[in-house]
Amino acid sequence: DAKTTQPPSMDCAEGRAANLPCNHSTISGNEYVYWYRQIHSQGPQYIIHGLKNNETNEMASLIITEDRKSSTLILPHATLRDTAVYYCIVRVDSSNTGKLIFGQGTTLQVKP
Amino acid sequence: GAVVSQHPSWVICKSGTSVKIECRSLDFQATTMFWYRQFPKQSLMLMATSNEGSKATYEQGVEKDKFLINHASLTLSTLTVTSAHPEDSSFYICSAADIPEAFFGQGTRLTVV
Repeated sequence: DAKTTQPPSMDCAEGRAANLPCNHSTISGNEYVYWYRQIHSQGPQYIIHGLKNNETNEMASLIITEDRKSSTLILPHATLRDTAVYYCIVRVDSSNTGKLIFGQGTTLQVKP
Repeated sequence: GAVVSQHPSWVICKSGTSVKIECRSLDFQATTMFWYRQFPKQSLMLMATSNEGSKATYEQGVEKDKFLINHASLTLSTLTVTSAHPEDSSFYICSAADIPEAFFGQGTRLTVV
């Protein structure tokens, strides 16, 4: 599975959009981009995933560049409860049954 | 989404004793579950893949005789930390896949004194 690079930390004002970048320049054609987050002392929580097209769900939007070498997770209206470590992971969906290799992630601090 | 339940949420044990952690998929069947360990201020590290009805697959550097994994049914995997020592104190997390998502338990905080 391809390696990802994320900034170690970011701040965001409450109510504003949080844009979390991820670089995955070695991504293969059949690898998906997944985002998870981990709130302090809890298990990770699935957010969203995508292959080529932009995706949106009730939690966030995922923007994938046309060359697929980078992506951005967007939390449209960040709240204090969105303070967490956000992990960007790329993997082949059919290669396993849920195995995830976590990088260091981005610690997002939402401030009042 | 699917629910994965982990028990206990926290445990304190004496050095040299064994501790068992349970991971259950509550509303789906999981032929494969995963065990992770997380030290303070670090990311999750995959320890092993638990396979229903067969032996677990351990990641490099993880002692299989120390971290015993049993996956006896499609909804339950257990991790036993044998002869625990203070350096085994950590946050242990399990996950199970309901493709395409992986769902995680709430984690178990193990403190060995």
